[in-house]
Amino acid sequence: ILNVEQSPQSLHVQEGDSTNFTCSFPSSNFYALHWYRWETAKSPEALFVMTLNGDEKKKGRISATLNTKEGYSYLYIKGSQPEDSATYLCAFMIYNQGGKLIFGQGTELSVKP
Amino acid sequence: NAGVMQNPRHLVRRRGQEARLRCSPMKGHSHVYWYRQLPEEGLKFMVYLQKENIIDESGMPKERFSAEFPKEGPSILRIQQVVRGDSAAYFCASSRDGFSGNTIYFGEGSWLTVV
Repeated sequence: ILNVEQSPQSLHVQEGDSTNFTCSFPSSNFYALHWYRWETAKSPEALFVMTLNGDEKKKGRISATLNTKEGYSYLYIKGSQPEDSATYLCAFMIYNQGGKLIFGQGTELSVKP
Repeated sequence: NAGVMQNPRHLVRRRGQEARLRCSPMKGHSHVYWYRQLPEEGLKFMVYLQKENIIDESGMPKERFSAEFPKEGPSILRIQQVVRGDSAAYFCASSRDGFSGNTIYFGEGSWLTVV
């Protein structure tokens, strides 16, 4: 059974704090790693698709890194804002099973003003 | 450019009835995926379809569930003889193709309640 683990499960920070979450995935048969931001009652919003070991991606104050050899990815948020409050999901795609995402349980971020 | 459109957003069915959930992918996308979120659980893959073909149905329950993506029209997820355990949020997603680097875009989900 392939497992994708995210930590922490939830995080409460103050506005302006920087924060980071971890996504752990199997290091074998890697194809891609996806990050999503998900607010309640909305569709999961695609943040990043990462495919190469050492990849670093950035979108505004949010960035992500990827280590496929050891099977982890970090998501960083610099200077958190209340509108960053959401659940952040990572999803692993297996080689030769393109299209099938295996999701972690998510990290729920709450940013207090 | 409209996103992935799902309807209905909310559906209530009595046990034994049929539920049909529809999904229109983003323009230019020919790959569609269905995921399910059961209460207190994460998103779980159900099925991956291309136009008129099922590519991977490894996550579909063996009975009562079927999916199609016809040449014309939306993708349909069909649940026959629904039971209480089918109550869940069903999410559709689409992509331009099945390559690793492509973004998979999700719809807002269809919430099925079986009473």
